[in-house]
Amino acid sequence: AQTVTQSQPEMSVQEAETVTLSCTYDTSESDYYLFWYKQPPSRQMILVIRQEAYKQQNATENRFSVNFQKAAKSFSLKISDSQLGDAAMYFCAYETSGSRLTFGEGTQLTVNP
Amino acid sequence: GAVVSQHPSWVICKSGTSVKIECRSLDFQATTMFWYRQFPKQSLMLMATSNEGSKATYEQGVEKDKFLINHASLTLSTLTVTSAHPEDSSFYICSARVTPYTEAFFGQGTRLTVV
Repeated sequence: AQTVTQSQPEMSVQEAETVTLSCTYDTSESDYYLFWYKQPPSRQMILVIRQEAYKQQNATENRFSVNFQKAAKSFSLKISDSQLGDAAMYFCAYETSGSRLTFGEGTQLTVNP
Repeated sequence: GAVVSQHPSWVICKSGTSVKIECRSLDFQATTMFWYRQFPKQSLMLMATSNEGSKATYEQGVEKDKFLINHASLTLSTLTVTSAHPEDSSFYICSARVTPYTEAFFGQGTRLTVV
């Protein structure tokens, strides 16, 4: 069974600084997709970024970028120029065939002014 | 992006009663919807996969008779918590996608409190 592990239950960052959230996963599949979702205090889940495993290039969305290391099964999220609105719970998620998302335990990010 | 609307946002019910939660895809058709349960400060736990026109697929350990799922149309799935008890109190979230492997759109969630 696929598992997703986020080893950092909590992280904090100063406003305007950069923070990296870690995620590792376990799979025997070669074709899969990885996601980072954000859950702010409103609890509405929002997609942050998505990575296809067959793509070597790391995905980037404005201030958000990933470091995808397929051999190491690692998928970290980097948030640059952190803003107060980035404060949220961040979930790493894995998907292979069948449209099922498997979520990690989450990392609670605090942004300090 | 596509919108998934979940209703109600919160509900309080008495122990022993049933509660229905609706999940609608407002601007796209969803042949598959997913129902999750989330405890405070924890991850989303998949309860079941709801398939339009067929029976839902439940995850191991989820009671089918307690959590009734109906996916009667391409835009509506419902979760009914039957004979609710305080231990069923939780945050329930639905999601749907236009196609596999693309962004999953989530409802706003429903906070259920059973007293």
